Amino acid sequence: ELKVEQNPLFLSMQEGKNYTIYCNYSTTSDRLYWYRQDPGKSLESLFVLLSNGAVKQEGRLMASLDTKARLSTLHITAAVHDLSATYFCAVDFSYNNNDMRFGAGTRLTVKP
Amino acid sequence: NAGVTQTPKFRILKIGQSMTLQCTQDMNHNYMYWYRQDPGMGLKLIYYSVGAGITDKGEVPNGYNVSRSTTEDFPLRLELAAPSQTSVYFCASRLAGGHEQYFGPGTRLTVT
Repeated sequence: ELKVEQNPLFLSMQEGKNYTIYCNYSTTSDRLYWYRQDPGKSLESLFVLLSNGAVKQEGRLMASLDTKARLSTLHITAAVHDLSATYFCAVDFSYNNNDMRFGAGTRLTVKP
Repeated sequence: NAGVTQTPKFRILKIGQSMTLQCTQDMNHNYMYWYRQDPGMGLKLIYYSVGAGITDKGEVPNGYNVSRSTTEDFPLRLELAAPSQTSVYFCASRLAGGHEQYFGPGTRLTVT
């Protein structure tokens, strides 16, 4: 079965703290995506990870991919309130980039 | 570029009614997708299309139909609306050879 699991599902952080969101998936894939969604809004692409060991950083967010462990992480450094949102990972299990499966999302709240 | 546009933004249907959700993209993307997002969940793929005249089922196609007569448009049809189809529907598109999907703003559908 094709499964994508994120944890935690809910995360409340203090500003200035660091934390990591985990994304595990069930079957081999080397294409993993991270998205951000604000309440009532569409999805915003954050990172596209396309190979084992890939690491990408944008501001306070850093994503990595370990295809052997079937694990991706989204690390948050020195959180700020503007990072409050729901974060989704998605994995493409198909050979043709046409079957993305999403995790349930991590709802992040950053408190002052 | 307007990107991916969807209409309507909101709609309430009675059980058994039918409707078409419209999706248009002006980026000349070959690939287009329809997803649904249930409350507190990630997205699930309904149908996708790799080009005009070609469509294929995704993870949850039952109760829906699609067509792709032009590169720009990818309408989603609900023939006999059911309460289980209450959801937010997102359309997305992707350039052939690219990995990133671009999402529309979504249509919030309620079936009562």
